[in-house]
Amino acid sequence: IAGITQAPTSQILAAGRRMTLRCTQDMRHNAMYWYRQDLGLGLRLIHYSNTAGTTGKGEVPDGYSVSRANTDDFPLTLASAVPSQTSVYFCASSAGVTDTQYFGPGTRLTVL
Amino acid sequence: GQNIDQPTEMTATEGAIVQINCTYQTSGFNGLFWYQQHAGEAPTFLSYNVLDGLEEKGRFSSFLSRSKGYSYLLLKELQMKDSASYLCAGLDSNYQLIWGAGTKLIIKP
Repeated sequence: IAGITQAPTSQILAAGRRMTLRCTQDMRHNAMYWYRQDLGLGLRLIHYSNTAGTTGKGEVPDGYSVSRANTDDFPLTLASAVPSQTSVYFCASSAGVTDTQYFGPGTRLTVL
Repeated sequence: GQNIDQPTEMTATEGAIVQINCTYQTSGFNGLFWYQQHAGEAPTFLSYNVLDGLEEKGRFSSFLSRSKGYSYLLLKELQMKDSASYLCAGLDSNYQLIWGAGTKLIIKP
C-alpha cells in the first residue's frame, strides 16, 4: 500500500528558480490538498482540489500554482522561488471534502 | 476570524494520563479532528468528532462540546512513543481544515 508519495524528499533551491513538487496518491481519493508547515504555526492550506479538473485557493496561495489533470496527481509549482517559501510542504488527500485527510511524507524545501 | 487554540507544550510521566485541550472558532462547523505528528514526520489521523460527547479508541479518547467550542484529547497509560505533537483542526463551512499550531507532548520516564 503506497498511499501518498511526494518527491523530492528535500531540496535546496536558489531564489528565482522554478520548482515543481510532486504528489501522487493511489487511493482514488477525490480531494487533494497542499499545506505548508512552519515552526510555531499551524498547517496552512496553499491550494486544494475537490475533484479532478478543479482547483481552489487556500489561505496562502500567492507564489504557488497547482493543476489537477487526473485523480492521482496534484503537482505544486513555485514559479519564482523566494526565501520566505522555505518550509516543509505536505500533500494530503481525502475521499471527499468531509472525510479524513491522509498525508504524504512531506518535502523539505530551502530557498537561498 | 477563524482560530484554533491549544497549549504549546505539555509534560507528563510515563504511565500517567494527560488531557490536551483545544478551543476553536470557525465559520461554520463540520467536525473536529485530532492528529499526531512525530518530529520530522507527517501528521497521522487520531480521531474525529462531529457530535457532542466522548469518542474512545483504545488508549486515546476525544471529547467535543459544540456549544462551548471546545475539545480535548485524552491519552491514558502514556508510553514513551506518545512523545509527539498533537494537532487540533476544525472543519469549517467551506470544508477546509483550520489548524492549531500543535501541542508538543514530552513524556518523562
